Amino acid sequence: AQSVAQPEDQVNVAEGNPLTVKCTYSVSGNPYLFWYVQYPNRGLQFLLKYITGDNLVKGSYGFEAEFNKSQTSFHLKKPSALVSDSALYFCAVNPDILTGGGNKLTFGTGTQLKVEL
Amino acid sequence: KAGVTQTPRYLIKTRGQQVTLSCSPISGHRSVSWYQQTPGQGLQFLFEYFSETQRNKGNFPGRFSGRQFSNSRSEMNVSTLELGDSALYLCASSFGQGRNEQFFGPGTRLTVL
Repeated sequence: AQSVAQPEDQVNVAEGNPLTVKCTYSVSGNPYLFWYVQYPNRGLQFLLKYITGDNLVKGSYGFEAEFNKSQTSFHLKKPSALVSDSALYFCAVNPDILTGGGNKLTFGTGTQLKVEL
Repeated sequence: KAGVTQTPRYLIKTRGQQVTLSCSPISGHRSVSWYQQTPGQGLQFLFEYFSETQRNKGNFPGRFSGRQFSNSRSEMNVSTLELGDSALYLCASSFGQGRNEQFFGPGTRLTVL
């Protein structure tokens, strides 16, 4: 079985400061890892993904994430936070082809990011 | 390119009734997945359809069912509604492989009274 943990319910950061939203995972096989963002009363928006290759993945709106296999982590980062980044962030994992394939995202519990002036 | 659309956006039902939610994927996407989002349980996978066949299924009772049509549009049905079925139901589409990102619709907010 696969699982995702987001240890922080909320992260507060000042605008202009770097931000990190943490995610760890547990999967069989090779993970397909994703970050999504949800604004109030909206669906989820895709930010970035790790499939294979370079451990540093760049995504939308200046976000990036670092895949660390030894620590089974996939932390989301941004060098300089904006107030408009305030939203709910979800880390998720999909099974690879060897463990069933297809789309069956397992999500973390979400981290509320609050960026203040 | 139009995004994923879901209808209706809001729905109010009473216990014991049944409900059907609809999802139109992005053109060219053959995979449609459904998720339930609640404050207590978070985001949970319901099922995935690919080329009209259910490919993956989550841990939900048989009251939750779905189908996919030849144009990739999908519907999910919940029979004998319970209060605990109140949730935001999200539909997502993708090209089909797990490595492809999914694109989510705005969701249908179901309230069961």
